[in-house]
Amino acid sequence: DVKVTQSSRYLVKRTGEKVFLECVQDMDHENMFWYRQDPGLGLRLIYFSYDVKMKEKGDIPEGYSVSREKKERFSLILESASTNQTSMYLCASSFRYFRDAGNTIYFGEGSWLTVV
Amino acid sequence: AQSVTQPDIHITVSEGASLELRCNYSYGATPYLFWYVQSPGQGLQLLLKYFSGDTLVQGIKGFEAEFKRSQSSFNLRKPSVHWSDAAEYFCAVAHWDGKSTFGDGTTLTVKP
Repeated sequence: DVKVTQSSRYLVKRTGEKVFLECVQDMDHENMFWYRQDPGLGLRLIYFSYDVKMKEKGDIPEGYSVSREKKERFSLILESASTNQTSMYLCASSFRYFRDAGNTIYFGEGSWLTVV
Repeated sequence: AQSVTQPDIHITVSEGASLELRCNYSYGATPYLFWYVQSPGQGLQLLLKYFSGDTLVQGIKGFEAEFKRSQSSFNLRKPSVHWSDAAEYFCAVAHWDGKSTFGDGTTLTVKP
């Protein structure tokens, strides 16, 4: 079974702190994603990476950065956490192209971040 | 730009009744369509997907969905709902490069 593991399920951080959310996948997937989920807003893409050291901004990249030094690991960084970044963060991964009928996006269990 | 609309924010059905969750998409090419389910506090689990071929696709847990290109719809159905189906359901369309757009979700409540 594919596994996408998010290292922290629940975090409480103070305003202004630097926050790291880590994600690891074990399927040799090229694509990795970070989404933010808020009630009534669905999932919004923060950043997307299709290869080591490659990244693309999603719909809401402001206040976030990412790092992908190894294929299996994708980190989301909040340089200076703010209260409006309190949310559920979901990591996901998939193979590179969706023309392959076997392709699917696999999700981790989510990281609940509270910024106080 | 691609978009996904789930018109129903919240649906309540009685256990044993049939279910249909609506999804409409906007996409310029052949869409890759997905339905996911999310239980409280959990990540998203794939229910089913459509890439091509037969427009009626079967998924896990007794769910099915029908792709209708003329209506730009991909509605999810289940003939008889179980209490354990209570969850949030997301429809999504994937671009060829893997990036996906999700609907805002439909919360399903199941009455005893």
